[in-house]
Amino acid sequence: QVTLKESGPALLNPTQTLTLTCSFSGFSLTTSGVRVSWIRQPPGKALEWLGRIDWDDVKFYSTSLKTRLTISKDTSKNQLVLTMTNMDPVDTATYYCARMGSASLAFDIWGQGTMVTVSS
Amino acid sequence: QTVVTQEASFSVSPGGTVTLTCGLSSGSVSTSHYPSWYQQTPGQTPRTLIHSTNTRSSGVPDRFSGSILGNKAALTITGAQADDESDYYCVLYMGRGISVFGGGTKLTVL
Repeated sequence: QVTLKESGPALLNPTQTLTLTCSFSGFSLTTSGVRVSWIRQPPGKALEWLGRIDWDDVKFYSTSLKTRLTISKDTSKNQLVLTMTNMDPVDTATYYCARMGSASLAFDIWGQGTMVTVSS
Repeated sequence: QTVVTQEASFSVSPGGTVTLTCGLSSGSVSTSHYPSWYQQTPGQTPRTLIHSTNTRSSGVPDRFSGSILGNKAALTITGAQADDESDYYCVLYMGRGISVFGGGTKLTVL
């Protein structure tokens, strides 16, 4: 069974750096074709794709956020990490990690999401 | 930057058919964009409905179907039910590793 679960701080001050961890099971990020994305959703607003990391450690980022984002993986721990710098109240959102289908490029399995609030 | 467009809202009568669309602010949607569709009810994690334009995900009823209609991707719900009342999001693959969500369509069944 494939599962993903996000974890990290629930509250941050403006300008701080966010670090979120996605812990997964049921697949390996060393298997060819495996990809995992980060997605977020501000309260009452639309989903937004942030970036992804592939099995071969290639990373892709949203054009609008790429200067602030870093995605990395720890295959020994079955985890990936999202870092977002210079957090602002507009970054308040539920953050999801989601596995992508190797051929479909769709988000086939989602984590439950973790809510991050940025406020002073 | 190209924007993925969706109707902000739509309504359908119970038992009726509705088609939601997913377009581009510039250009046409094709199968090369690997259109996918997601259903989300308030407070819940999105559920994958359709991938690769028209392939239903496991467990998705066959009253949900995907297609390309003209220059847009489309999600058609045939025989709408009350529990289809949700937000629906499309995603397009823009190439170079980039995926983009549409703004979502709020579907009301009444």
